[in-house]
Amino acid sequence: TQLLEQSPQFLSIQEGENLTVYCNSSSVFSSLQWYRQEPGEGPVLLVTVVTGGEVKKLKRLTFQFGDARKDSSLHITAAQPGDTGLYLCAGETSGTYKYIFGTGTRLKVLA
Amino acid sequence: DAGITQSPRYKITETGRQVTLMCHQTWSHSYMFWYRQDLGHGLRLIYYSAAADITDKGEVPDGYVVSRSKTENFPLTLESATRSQTSVYFCASSVRDRRTPNYGYTFGSGTRLTVV
Repeated sequence: TQLLEQSPQFLSIQEGENLTVYCNSSSVFSSLQWYRQEPGEGPVLLVTVVTGGEVKKLKRLTFQFGDARKDSSLHITAAQPGDTGLYLCAGETSGTYKYIFGTGTRLKVLA
Repeated sequence: DAGITQSPRYKITETGRQVTLMCHQTWSHSYMFWYRQDLGHGLRLIYYSAAADITDKGEVPDGYVVSRSKTENFPLTLESATRSQTSVYFCASSVRDRRTPNYGYTFGSGTRLTVV
């Protein structure tokens, strides 16, 4: 069974701080996605990374896919209260269009 | 409005009853998925469909049935609801085109199901 482990599980920081969330697996993924989910809503896609070593930036968010395509990280610079939510990574197995989700990192940014 | 809609948003049912959760998308995406989200387990795939009349099991399919007679609809039926099926259910759709920069899932808002 493929597993995606996210760390930390919970993170509470002050506005303006930087943070990094990690997504790790022993399996190789053909692509990996990051989602943000707010209470009472479905996850919303932030980014898809495909190539090992790839780095993508979305405003204050930086996403990196590991060289071996087994892990990924999400770095947020100068966090804002609007960044609060559940962050989920999801790995695609062998081009199947099926994604396995990590258990998530719950982020709270305090004003 | 365009998008992916789930109904109902909330449902309470009794053990043993059959219940159907609806999912409708307006993009004609070929792939559709059903996930359940539980504390401690994250999102787990129940069933998915690559196209109309093509469905396959995911990680946790037992006790569920799906159909897809039309591309835009993908209902999920709990044949005889059990308390362990109390969960939040999400439907998602996806384009097949990998040339899209950020291809991936678009989720509905979910159905919160309670089995008593």
